[in-house]
Amino acid sequence: EAQVTQNPRYLITVTGKKLTVTCSQNMNHEYMSWYRQDPGLGLRQIYYSMNVEVTDKGDVPEGYKVSRKEKRNFPLILESPSPNQTSLYFCASSPNTWGPQHFGDGTRLSIL
Amino acid sequence: QKEVEQDPGPLSVPEGAIVSLNCTYSNSAFQYFMWYRQYSRKGPELLMYTYSSGNKEDGRFTAQVDKSSKYISLFIRDSQPSDSATYLCAMSVRETSGSRLTFGEGTQLTVNP
Repeated sequence: EAQVTQNPRYLITVTGKKLTVTCSQNMNHEYMSWYRQDPGLGLRQIYYSMNVEVTDKGDVPEGYKVSRKEKRNFPLILESPSPNQTSLYFCASSPNTWGPQHFGDGTRLSIL
Repeated sequence: QKEVEQDPGPLSVPEGAIVSLNCTYSNSAFQYFMWYRQYSRKGPELLMYTYSSGNKEDGRFTAQVDKSSKYISLFIRDSQPSDSATYLCAMSVRETSGSRLTFGEGTQLTVNP
């Protein structure tokens, strides 16, 4: 089954404690992306990757890092999380940058 | 001003009603138009994908694009309680690099039995 898998699905943590949200896709897609979804603001892109070792900033990259060492994996790293990063996060993948994207089921992060 | 405007609702309709969901946009370069459905605690899933102006139909769903007015719509016929979800429009421009999807805020729809 074609899917994008995120882990963990839920996480409550404290300010400053480094965390990583993993994302893996099994569709051999070139393009992967991270979004956060907040009430009243919709989906906003954090970072994206057009291919292995190629990443770039989206609209709201501050406080986040990503890496793309393998085609299937695109982890999101919060080096020093802060409460304003409490949000619902989605990873997505697609064959190209302009077409429909396949989304994971989301990771709900709460940073106290 | 947002590139894509979408009324967040909420929208509540009785079962069997025809639902009309809409987005307007400001960037005339947008070429690809999508509608996603998002159930609670799930990721967005693609419903409709269209490239040109005009209508595209898939079962009870019809997507309409009017590039001259910068306006897209999704119609749901014979709406069912299972259609209760948030509907997001998205659009993009095909570029050699840096293309991305721009999303509307989403409209929350409830279909009452």
